[in-house]
Amino acid sequence: KAGVTQTPRYLIKTRGQQVTLSCSPISGHRSVSWYQQTPGQGLQFLFEYFSETQRNKGNFPGRFSGRQFSNSRSEMNVSTLELGDSALYLCASSLAQYGGGELFFGEGSRLTVL
Amino acid sequence: DAKTTQPTSMDCAEGRAANLPCNHSTISGNEYVYWYRQIHSQGPQYIIHGLKNNETNEMASLIITEDRKSSTLILPHATLRDTAVYYCIVRVGAGNNRKLIWGLGTSLGVNP
Repeated sequence: KAGVTQTPRYLIKTRGQQVTLSCSPISGHRSVSWYQQTPGQGLQFLFEYFSETQRNKGNFPGRFSGRQFSNSRSEMNVSTLELGDSALYLCASSLAQYGGGELFFGEGSRLTVL
Repeated sequence: DAKTTQPTSMDCAEGRAANLPCNHSTISGNEYVYWYRQIHSQGPQYIIHGLKNNETNEMASLIITEDRKSSTLILPHATLRDTAVYYCIVRVGAGNNRKLIWGLGTSLGVNP
């Protein structure tokens, strides 16, 4: 069974641009969550989706948004990029209807903002 | 804010047991403790979780104190491939608001 796939793996943007990251969950998983990982802050929860509905949201500004499609694939978007948005963005999928639990992570998308 | 406290780093000799401590003194009665690890350049990997009782699986054992204010993850026979950052996490909230609160973890170095 294929694991969680995130694209692109690496990308470089400049301040003010916007970026869209994609996540394909494990087949059969309907829950997808997103995390931002930086050296100083560790993993911080962004949001979680289940059956195309946002179930939970972390403490990030409105520039961070996401969505989930009917096939459970998910995208997140960051608009008006800032230097501080440079991070590893991780996507995780789960069988669980509710948050937490056993999460299966992708390898992440590493975003560098110049 | 993270609800767990872990040492920043630890070392272990290959073949010996690695015991990773975690304090979660403010944990509530219905909040689970989860352990994940992250090997360099990879996404985190689930290890084990528990509520009150000790748990064991093919990867590790989880020992939770009776007052639930701390726990220990035990890797019975550490190998070089166990070198990673280990996260002790509390799952908070209920229903749709359940989520994992991550700390900064313990960097475990397994030495030959």
